[in-house]
Amino acid sequence: KNEVEQSPQNLTAQEGEFITINCSYSVGISALHWLQQHPGGGIVSLFMLSSGKKKHGRLIATINIQEKHSSLHITASHPRDSAVYICAVREGGSEKLVFGKGTKLTVNP
Amino acid sequence: NAGVTQTPKFQVLKTGQSMTLQCAQDMNHEYMSWYRQDPGMGLRLIHYSVGAGITDQGEVPNGYNVSRSTTEDFPLRLLSAAPSQTSVYFCASTSGTSVLNTGELFFGEGSRLTVL
Repeated sequence: KNEVEQSPQNLTAQEGEFITINCSYSVGISALHWLQQHPGGGIVSLFMLSSGKKKHGRLIATINIQEKHSSLHITASHPRDSAVYICAVREGGSEKLVFGKGTKLTVNP
Repeated sequence: NAGVTQTPKFQVLKTGQSMTLQCAQDMNHEYMSWYRQDPGMGLRLIHYSVGAGITDQGEVPNGYNVSRSTTEDFPLRLLSAAPSQTSVYFCASTSGTSVLNTGELFFGEGSRLTVL
């Protein structure tokens, strides 16, 4: 069974700090997603990765397929980045997604 | 562009009642799925579909039925609601499959269901 582990579970930062959230998984995958869930509950897709690195604004996502590990970085964090960040992986050859439990980020002004 | 539309947003049921959560997408996505989100747990897959007429079970399918008669719609049916089905439900769609692997995920806004 594929396990998706995220760390840390909770993270509190001061505005402007550099944030890193980690995701590890146990089996081969075809894709990894990073999602953001706001306090209101809605979920939006941030990145889909199958290799390398992607950047969108202040967000950067990286994946190391050999080490079965991905990181989400937020540069110059802002209170509006406060949310739960969720990692999800699609196993190779499967249509199913397996989700981590999420990392709750709070950025204080 | 509406994206993924999910209704209702809130519902209270009594044990044994039935109901249907509606999900519709206007992006011509092949892959649609239903998840439940419970405190302290990650999103868990209930059922999914890779195209009209094709459905399959996810991790927690018991107590739920689905059908996919059109590309746009993927309703989730609770035939006899139980308190254990109290949860927040999300519908999602993506343009990708395991073969094409192109798909960004699009989620509905969620449905909060309480079963008394």
